[in-house]
Amino acid sequence: SQQGEEDPQALSIQEGENATMNCSYKTSINNLQWYRQNSGRGLVHLILIRSNEREKHSGRLRVTLDTSKKSSSLLITASRAADTASYFCATWPQGGSEKLVFGKGTKLTVNP
Amino acid sequence: DAGVIQSPRHEVTEMGQEVTLRCKPISGHNSLFWYRQTMMRGLELLIYFNNNVPIDDSGMPEDRFSAKMPNASFSTLKIQPSEPRDSAVYFCASSPTGASPRGTFGSGTRLTVV
Repeated sequence: SQQGEEDPQALSIQEGENATMNCSYKTSINNLQWYRQNSGRGLVHLILIRSNEREKHSGRLRVTLDTSKKSSSLLITASRAADTASYFCATWPQGGSEKLVFGKGTKLTVNP
Repeated sequence: DAGVIQSPRHEVTEMGQEVTLRCKPISGHNSLFWYRQTMMRGLELLIYFNNNVPIDDSGMPEDRFSAKMPNASFSTLKIQPSEPRDSAVYFCASSPTGASPRGTFGSGTRLTVV
C-alpha cells in the first residue's frame, strides 16, 4: 500500500509565488525523499531528509519533517514555469528493507 | 554514465500477447526496482533485486508477471499473457546499496494493451 500521501493533489499558482506541498505517512521511517516528475519522464530525486533532521534546504527547495506528526512539507520558493511537474514524497520505512514507498503525488502548475 | 536505460519507450500490443520490458541499470548500482504507474493507483513497486537476487516480489500483481535479472547490467519484466488492465507506464530504477536507497529512474516504458 502507498504510505506517503501528498496533498493537495493539484496546485496551480502564478510564477513568483511559493508552492507548498505536504506529505503524510504512517510508519516509522529512516528518511523521507522528494522526487519530481515531468510529464512523460521518469522521477528525479530532489532532496532527502533523515528522520533525525527537521529542516533541509537545497537551492529554492525547503523541506521540513515532523516525525511526531508523521508529516513533511516541500516548499518551492519563487516558483518558475519550469517547476511545473508532479512532486512525490517517498519514505524509506524502518525495518531493513530497501523499498522506497511512494505517494500519489501533487501535480503543480506554475502559470507564467 | 547514460543513466538507467529502458526499452522500448512505447509498446502497443494485443491482449494475450507476451510483452517483455528491458532495463539496464547504472553501473555499480546493486539494487534494481521495477515500478508501475497508473492514474488510479499511482506508483507501485512491483519487485526489487539486490545483487541480482529478487528480494521482494510482493508487489507483482499475479502470476502473469515475472522478472529476471540474469546479471548486474540487465533486467527484464515479462507479462504473459497481457491484458488491457496492464496498460501503464513501467519504470525501472536503480540504487547503490548503502546507507539509503535513492532511486535513479529510467524514462519508462508506456505499455498499451488493446
